[in-house]
Amino acid sequence: DAGITQSPRHKVTETGTPVTLRCHQTENHRYMYWYRQDPGHGLRLIHYSYGVKDTDKGEVSDGYSVSRSKTEDFLLTLESATSSQTSVYFCAISGRDAETQYFGPGTRLLVL
Amino acid sequence: ELKVEQNPLFLSMQEGKNYTIYCNYSTTSDRLYWYRQDPGKSLESLFVLLSNGAVKQEGRLMASLDTKARLSTLHITAAVHDLSATYFCAVDADSNYQLIWGAGTKLIIKP
Repeated sequence: DAGITQSPRHKVTETGTPVTLRCHQTENHRYMYWYRQDPGHGLRLIHYSYGVKDTDKGEVSDGYSVSRSKTEDFLLTLESATSSQTSVYFCAISGRDAETQYFGPGTRLLVL
Repeated sequence: ELKVEQNPLFLSMQEGKNYTIYCNYSTTSDRLYWYRQDPGKSLESLFVLLSNGAVKQEGRLMASLDTKARLSTLHITAAVHDLSATYFCAVDADSNYQLIWGAGTKLIIKP
């Protein structure tokens, strides 16, 4: 299994609070991704990174920001959590062009 | 805008039967991925298809890609209960490593 961990694995928070999710990899892969998974929508890309301090927006980036200060860590921040951001968040990594993406275990976030 | 459609979205079948899941996408792409997800778990890569006519097989699963028809199929041969899962296809949008995902096909195989 690819060395990807996510923390926390479960979180309950209140509307309006900031939340940060962490993705950590031990594979030294260049590309890292944050997705959210909701019933009926498959996965939707939030943000991705193609190197340290190099990030770009995905399909559903509003309300989210990311940072990557080290190759191994990719942080996702919900600036002011809303109930619509209740979801399962997956981090993924890939090493090079057209290589498959490997997924972390996921974080279940509930925003009350 | 690239859209990816899977069908069926739900499939219940008996062990021993054959069936096919279809993945259609709306714009040109020659990179298609199949994943499996068990309930409450993460996603596991099954196949990466990188060219027109690509065919890959692993056990009872076989995936193919027709880029001209913008269609990929995942064929299940002589299904067994352990193949029960949700299967996703994903297409690389504009070759920039952003994957656009289908909604998933929930497959239940009854003993």
